[in-house]
Amino acid sequence: QKEVEQDPGPLSVPEGAIVSLNCTYSNSAFQYFMWYRQYSRKGPELLMYTYSSGNKEDGRFTAQVDKSSKYISLFIRDSQPSDSATYLCAMGRGSTLGRLYFGRGTQLTVWP
Amino acid sequence: NAGVTQTPKFQVLKTGQSMTLQCAQDMNHEYMSWYRQDPGMGLRLIHYSVGAGITDQGEVPNGYNVSRSTTEDFPLRLLSAAPSQTSVYFCASTKAGGFTGELFFGEGSRLTVL
Repeated sequence: QKEVEQDPGPLSVPEGAIVSLNCTYSNSAFQYFMWYRQYSRKGPELLMYTYSSGNKEDGRFTAQVDKSSKYISLFIRDSQPSDSATYLCAMGRGSTLGRLYFGRGTQLTVWP
Repeated sequence: NAGVTQTPKFQVLKTGQSMTLQCAQDMNHEYMSWYRQDPGMGLRLIHYSVGAGITDQGEVPNGYNVSRSTTEDFPLRLLSAAPSQTSVYFCASTKAGGFTGELFFGEGSRLTVL
């Protein structure tokens, strides 16, 4: 069993839809929770970062972490065609900063 | 500021050949790592380094060697290429202190082993 599970999709939604992306994990030692966005033929880029449990909002993006359920989510409001990309969740432990464990990625397409 | 630079961007090898994927960063980051990305598998850690002279294995280290003689460079060596090593390889770096969740990735090196 992978330490981080993520439904790979693909997910296809119309412009303006609310998108929900999720990951589950098994290692209770994870303290850092991230969402990366990867455009085709590019390297991943950090989108959202949360330390421990809670919510974080940045414009149209909201990240949620529920450590009791070992479940993290990313919500995209008013989705745009430019949001079309692969979204990867990632997690890390405090003792091994920089060594991240990634989900398989969810491919999202937002059509006009 | 170039960030993380990977070379080559594309490479085709025959089974049994060896090669080195180069990675350089100009951000004075202590931490550097190599991931491979395969369809449906996400990013898997191959090797990482927390500073010059210090390296360690990740999730899928077999068939790969690394060394870290300088802060800037972290080359990945394929000793005897196999078709199973066909993948996209990403190098990443970050600073050791005040971690904010951000790994800085290169644009990837696409390797095909025939």
